[in-house]
Amino acid sequence: DTAVSQTPKYLVTQMGNDKSIKCEQNLGHDTMYWYKQDSKKFLKIMFSYNNKELIINETVPNRFSPKSPDKAHLNLHINSLELGDSAVYFCASSPRTGTNNEQFFGPGTRLTVL
Amino acid sequence: AQSVTQPDIHITVSEGASLELRCNYSYGATPYLFWYVQSPGQGLQLLLKYFSGDTLVQGIKGFEAEFKRSQSSFNLRKPSVHWSDAAEYFCAVSGPGGYNKLIFGAGTRLAVHP
Repeated sequence: DTAVSQTPKYLVTQMGNDKSIKCEQNLGHDTMYWYKQDSKKFLKIMFSYNNKELIINETVPNRFSPKSPDKAHLNLHINSLELGDSAVYFCASSPRTGTNNEQFFGPGTRLTVL
Repeated sequence: AQSVTQPDIHITVSEGASLELRCNYSYGATPYLFWYVQSPGQGLQLLLKYFSGDTLVQGIKGFEAEFKRSQSSFNLRKPSVHWSDAAEYFCAVSGPGGYNKLIFGAGTRLAVHP
């Protein structure tokens, strides 16, 4: 059973398009995250949701809009894609905030913007 | 400012040799510390974590790490490296409560020679 899953695994698209990445966790966790890994492998937090409520928004362009329909899902929609958006996007989840914060990561979505 | 430094970008060891990957952190409060491993094209897997208590923590795959508060370090060790350990290793820090984003180091790429 996959704990944290993401779809699609690969996404190739043209500049200016709008795309979405989906994330689902079956761990019963309350908190979910999006991280971006750039071409140099550097990982940086983008967003965090706790029980469908946005709690972290790290200076990400407003072309990026996360949406959490329920606490098991956190989707990432990106408008007007730019070349610099090419990266691997990881979803993660953890038990409720204030606990040990061990985060479980999905397999990643490699986004390539042409 | 909170940060994590992994001084070694690349490390190459021979199979069977011992390994130490360095990690230094800067964090105002008592940190939670993590080591994650990323195999090529894969997501991140947690190797081990430190929250409190015994400063020497054991993880999966024969890895261990030692928390040294006086040196702000959390170095990862393995007594005998296997070829399958070749991967990217990330050290990360988070706060003990509240908004628990992970702050990652830049990673250390480990190559293993036969």
